[in-house]
Amino acid sequence: DIVLTQSPALAVSLGQRATISCRASQSVSISRYNLMHWYQQKPGQQPKLLIYRASNLASGIPARFSGSGSGTDFTLTINPVQADDIATYYCQQSRESPPWTFGGGTKLELK
Amino acid sequence: EVQLQESGPGLVKPSQSLSLTCSVTGYSITSNYWGWIRKFPGNKMEWMGYISYSGSTSYNPSLKSRISITRDTSKNQFFLQLNSVTTEDTATYYCARCHDGYYPNWFAYWGQGTLVTVSS
Repeated sequence: DIVLTQSPALAVSLGQRATISCRASQSVSISRYNLMHWYQQKPGQQPKLLIYRASNLASGIPARFSGSGSGTDFTLTINPVQADDIATYYCQQSRESPPWTFGGGTKLELK
Repeated sequence: EVQLQESGPGLVKPSQSLSLTCSVTGYSITSNYWGWIRKFPGNKMEWMGYISYSGSTSYNPSLKSRISITRDTSKNQFFLQLNSVTTEDTATYYCARCHDGYYPNWFAYWGQGTLVTVSS
């Protein structure tokens, strides 16, 4: 299985930039497709898709969210961070199937 | 707009089977791919498997001997059965729909989730 590694937590100030990383144990890219996706989950709610294929913004997601990366290293950026963005963020790969795998989640906290 | 809702027992005894239903409105399950994901206490998330528009399935190999995903197209529902559960199967279970497109890669729509506790 492809293992996705995320930092457990990140503290950020409102209005600042947050950079959340996800590292894969092997490449999740096929030709021009980077098969890494990002979700946001708030307490008591279901996960919400933010970014698909590394850099594509999902429908209805604010432009302060962006994604980048290829191969084994990917980044979710929130700029500027708003209070509503306090949540846990997960990466998920679909390069290898089955199984799709998720990162352990990064909890975004206020500094 | 597509909506998904999980239902089923919140408490299951060890060694028994866990059975959940995902009821879908606003979209036919004879289109697209439909999956189950669970989130353990402590935040780890696990993809369990999915069923396609045609009824074919793909399962997480770690669960392959215990899991079954089926569907009832007349009721627009799909189901999860997990056999021989242990306390380690305690989790919040989500059903979800994949994105539009020929080959599934991510989940675009999720249900609210249902907590299942395995305990005697």
